[in-house]
Amino acid sequence: GQSLEQPSEVTAVEGAIVQINCTYQTSGFYGLSWYQQHDGGAPTFLSYNALDGLEETGRFSSFLSRSDSYGYLLLQELQMKDSASYFCAVRDLNQAGTALIFGKGTTLSVSS
Amino acid sequence: SAVISQKPSRDICQRGTSLTIQCQVDSQVTMMFWYRQQPGQSLTLIATANQGSEATYESGFVIDKFPISRPNLTFSTLTVSNMSPEDSSIYLCSVVPQGSSYEQYFGPGTRLTVT
Repeated sequence: GQSLEQPSEVTAVEGAIVQINCTYQTSGFYGLSWYQQHDGGAPTFLSYNALDGLEETGRFSSFLSRSDSYGYLLLQELQMKDSASYFCAVRDLNQAGTALIFGKGTTLSVSS
Repeated sequence: SAVISQKPSRDICQRGTSLTIQCQVDSQVTMMFWYRQQPGQSLTLIATANQGSEATYESGFVIDKFPISRPNLTFSTLTVSNMSPEDSSIYLCSVVPQGSSYEQYFGPGTRLTVT
């Protein structure tokens, strides 16, 4: 089976930096992804790490350590519009091939 | 990228009835999935929709309750059968476009309320 652990809530102020951690246990591993979901919206892809290290995309960065089964999403220069839920997800083997399995999500609240 | 539409966007249904949700993608995709999400909760994978063959269901989900069709590379349906209030949830279609190995796109979801 699979399990992913991430904090349930994080709060921060505009302009700050926030790190959302994710630890995972899977039978197979084909990469760690991060998705953002605003209230009432669909999840949208943010980043993907297949190899150890840091991937940077604008204000967002994602890190992976496969030996530690650990990753994080780093959000810099926070803006009010970053208030949303953030999900880490692993691509794992299932009978149909691979499928994306999601953590429980972290609700980020950004205040002014 | 892929643009996904789902119909209906929301519905209120009576206990014991069935609802079929449609998912249409604007381009051919390699993989299609159906997820369920309770408000404020995570996404739970229901099944992988396989083109031209039976869907592959995750543990806890069965074909009799959630029959799925995928007749071609751009369309799939999920039926929620013999509904109970516990089936009230948001149902999301998700795809992996051709040429992508990891980026997954989600439809806007169908918000189902069972009374």
